[in-house]
Amino acid sequence: KAGVTQTPRYLIKTRGQQVTLSCSPISGHRSVSWYQQTPGQGLQFLFEYFSETQRNKGNFPGRFSGRQFSNSRSEMNVSTLELGDSALYLCASSPQGDSRSTDTQYFGPGTRLTVL
Amino acid sequence: AQSVTQLDSHVSVSEGTPVLLRCNYSSSYSPSLFWYVQHPNKGLQLLLKYTSAATLVKGINGFEAEFKKSETSFHLTKPSAHMSDAAEYFCVVSAPNTGGFKTIFGAGTRLFVKA
Repeated sequence: KAGVTQTPRYLIKTRGQQVTLSCSPISGHRSVSWYQQTPGQGLQFLFEYFSETQRNKGNFPGRFSGRQFSNSRSEMNVSTLELGDSALYLCASSPQGDSRSTDTQYFGPGTRLTVL
Repeated sequence: AQSVTQLDSHVSVSEGTPVLLRCNYSSSYSPSLFWYVQHPNKGLQLLLKYTSAATLVKGINGFEAEFKKSETSFHLTKPSAHMSDAAEYFCVVSAPNTGGFKTIFGAGTRLFVKA
């Protein structure tokens, strides 16, 4: 099976712009989670989608949003970009995506976003 | 509430010597615990996971971890370090939360392996 893919891999934007990142989960996986990774804050959970519904959300401002499509592919959007949004954004998919916490998350390579 | 603490931000070992990366957790529910590894400019890869079965968990590349409930620890070990083990390691706790589950990553431990 193909792994989790994320596009684009690298992105440069300027403050005030918006950006959309895409994630294609492993075939058959129904849950997709997004994380932000920065040197200062480490890995922080953004949100999780299951069956096109946001099920869990981290402590990020409303500028960060996402969605999931019927084929489980997911996008996240960041509006009005700030310098502090520069980070590696990781997407992870998991098989069952139900309330069980035992699922293994499979991570994509990430999208490196740089905000100038 | 749940949390995870990786006790060392950096660990340096010589090739061929044992590796110990320490992780303590807290959770209101019986958690699942994971160790992931991240090589530079790569995504995270699962090393092993504990899900309330055997307390000694064996993972890939010779790594293993022992779940100790009394000590709320889940330390990662390897008998003999290899140069390719140099990477960042994350301890992760996951437990039921309203509507799903909540996953928290530790701050990470960077492992350096000296020749």
